[in-house]
Amino acid sequence: QQQVKQSPQSLIVQKGGISIINCAYENTAFDYFPWYQQFPGKGPALLIAIRPDVSEKKEGRFTISFNKSAKQFSLHIMDSQPGDSATYFCAAAVGGGADGLTFGKGTHLIIQP
Amino acid sequence: NAGVMQNPRHLVRRRGQEARLRCSPMKGHSHVYWYRQLPEEGLKFMVYLQKENIIDESGMPKERFSAEFPKEGPSILRIQQVVRGDSAAYFCASSPSGDYTFGSGTRLTVV
Repeated sequence: QQQVKQSPQSLIVQKGGISIINCAYENTAFDYFPWYQQFPGKGPALLIAIRPDVSEKKEGRFTISFNKSAKQFSLHIMDSQPGDSATYFCAAAVGGGADGLTFGKGTHLIIQP
Repeated sequence: NAGVMQNPRHLVRRRGQEARLRCSPMKGHSHVYWYRQLPEEGLKFMVYLQKENIIDESGMPKERFSAEFPKEGPSILRIQQVVRGDSAAYFCASSPSGDYTFGSGTRLTVV
């Protein structure tokens, strides 16, 4: 499976600020781009996902921005809260994800009160 | 709906022993995926199964690892003759097709 590169590896944001995590991919066949949130000792939980026919998707405080030509997508967390402190993974898949996901290495996000 | 159930949550094995990890998918989900997560790493795809069929095992090590999803009962990931490098968190996910629900994982420690 092709690689998905995620940055930064760790991120500290003040409460109320905007957290931004970036991902880049190589395989132009990818057509599904989900973001997962993982708390210590838990499995990843789907946060938000986007398909390449749109450039932005917003759900509450979470927004995915997608740049098809640059092969990049990013997660923005508005008004970041201490409860958002977790590890975030981007992923990408072909065929809507039915055949498995390729994950980035994750971003440890800490929201300071 | 109890979600994706994995057991045991923690498993300690001595080098050379066998490890069996179980995964019960969400009710109505016929697709099961296994992923491995090493410390400070993302999840790596291992295998994709449907009932009684292995659809894609391209992420499985060629030796010692096997997986099944029988007609009845949970999916099993089996690791024979474990080595220290097998220590990791193993996650199962299920899907009707596409959107995944992950279990809480089995943390395998090989001593």
